[in-house]
Amino acid sequence: AAGVIQSPRHLIKEKRETATLKCYPIPRHDTVYWYQQGPGQDPQFLISFYEKMQSDKGSIPDRFSAQQFSDYHSELNMSSLELGDSALYFCASSSREALNNEQFFGPGTRLTVL
Amino acid sequence: GESVGLHLPTLSVQEGDNSIINCAYSNSASDYFIWYKQESGKGPQFIIDIRSNMDKRQGQRVTVLLNKTVKHLSLQIAATQPGDSAVYFCAENIRRGGADGLTFGKGTHLIIQP
Repeated sequence: AAGVIQSPRHLIKEKRETATLKCYPIPRHDTVYWYQQGPGQDPQFLISFYEKMQSDKGSIPDRFSAQQFSDYHSELNMSSLELGDSALYFCASSSREALNNEQFFGPGTRLTVL
Repeated sequence: GESVGLHLPTLSVQEGDNSIINCAYSNSASDYFIWYKQESGKGPQFIIDIRSNMDKRQGQRVTVLLNKTVKHLSLQIAATQPGDSAVYFCAENIRRGGADGLTFGKGTHLIIQP
């Protein structure tokens, strides 16, 4: 079965640079979520989109922005990167039509800020 | 703010034994709880969920118990296997079916000893 696709899988950036992470949800899923997971930490919810509109907002820094496109893929844009942004970034997708709206997670993008 | 947390960071059990992973939550408004399994380098994988109007739910080798009185959630894994070694997270959602982000608790690292 098709899963959530994230790209790139690994990314290395310098401080103050920008980064763009991409997420391709499971086909026919209409909702995407972004999570940040620091080393040894639990995933922290950043933001979610349903039908291309922002749905819920968590602890996303003002330096970050995200959007969902007409083909339902999503991009997380990160600017003025800081050392503390080094983390695993997960995208998850779900379908409103599903009974429990289960969130399926992608493999993650490991961002390292030097 | 209110959060979900776990009591034990590491749990070591013998292969074939049963294991119990515990979780405490503090948001009495949460309606939906999920257990996720995360293997090294991978995204969280759905194991089992339970709604707040239930006390117990069983899956294949796994059982989730919910005690709303003391705001406690547990995951029981029967006859543990080497493949069960992973970090387990509980997560909560205000409502099932929405596009809300999940609030994760601190993970428990389950180690299966041969």
